[in-house]
Amino acid sequence: DIQMTQSPSSLSASVGDRVTITCRASQSISSYLNWYQQKPGKPPKLLIYAASSLQSGVPSRFSGSGSGTDFTLTISSLQPEDFATYYCQQSYTARTFGQGTKVEIK
Amino acid sequence: QVQLVQSGAEVKKPGASVKVSCKASGYTFTSYDINWVRQATGQGLEWMGWMNPNSGDTGYVQKFQGRVTMTRNTAISTAYMEVSSLRSDDTAVYYCARSGPGVGASAGYWGQGTLVTVSS
Repeated sequence: DIQMTQSPSSLSASVGDRVTITCRASQSISSYLNWYQQKPGKPPKLLIYAASSLQSGVPSRFSGSGSGTDFTLTISSLQPEDFATYYCQQSYTARTFGQGTKVEIK
Repeated sequence: QVQLVQSGAEVKKPGASVKVSCKASGYTFTSYDINWVRQATGQGLEWMGWMNPNSGDTGYVQKFQGRVTMTRNTAISTAYMEVSSLRSDDTAVYYCARSGPGVGASAGYWGQGTLVTVSS
């Protein structure tokens, strides 16, 4: 099974900050990496698919990069509505989620 | 617009079974896979498996094999997931999510979630 490891598990940031979350796969997954945002009591929302493609309707301050085993989600300028938990997910074989990164207000 | 509407909350006793439904609308039901994901309170997302509504083919995470069954009724565009031999650690919100088409596709549409509580 492919394991996904996110870091950090949580972070505190201020509005306007640049935020970076990393995700590492236990083996190469090419670009089969997706990023989701989840707010309390809500289902996840797809942000980025295929490592770097922005889902329709998602603000351009969100971006993704990487291939193989190492991936990054970047929020260029954190907005109040971005405080949430973020999950990476590999879709190379079956599906596996990372453990999540909670982005909190500093 | 694409919608996935799930059945309501359930309370079950240990050892019982639960069947959650996911009614799709706004697209051709048989053209996209349905995934099931669960989330225990305060915990992360756990992918359980997938189903191809056209063929009925399924794939389950090994830990759920033998205890989870995913089915569908194409006439009413509804997917189902049944979990048997429920334990307290099956208490979670269960989500259906549409993915695809194509290999390696992401899940762009999600149901609202169904809380399943297992308690004696």
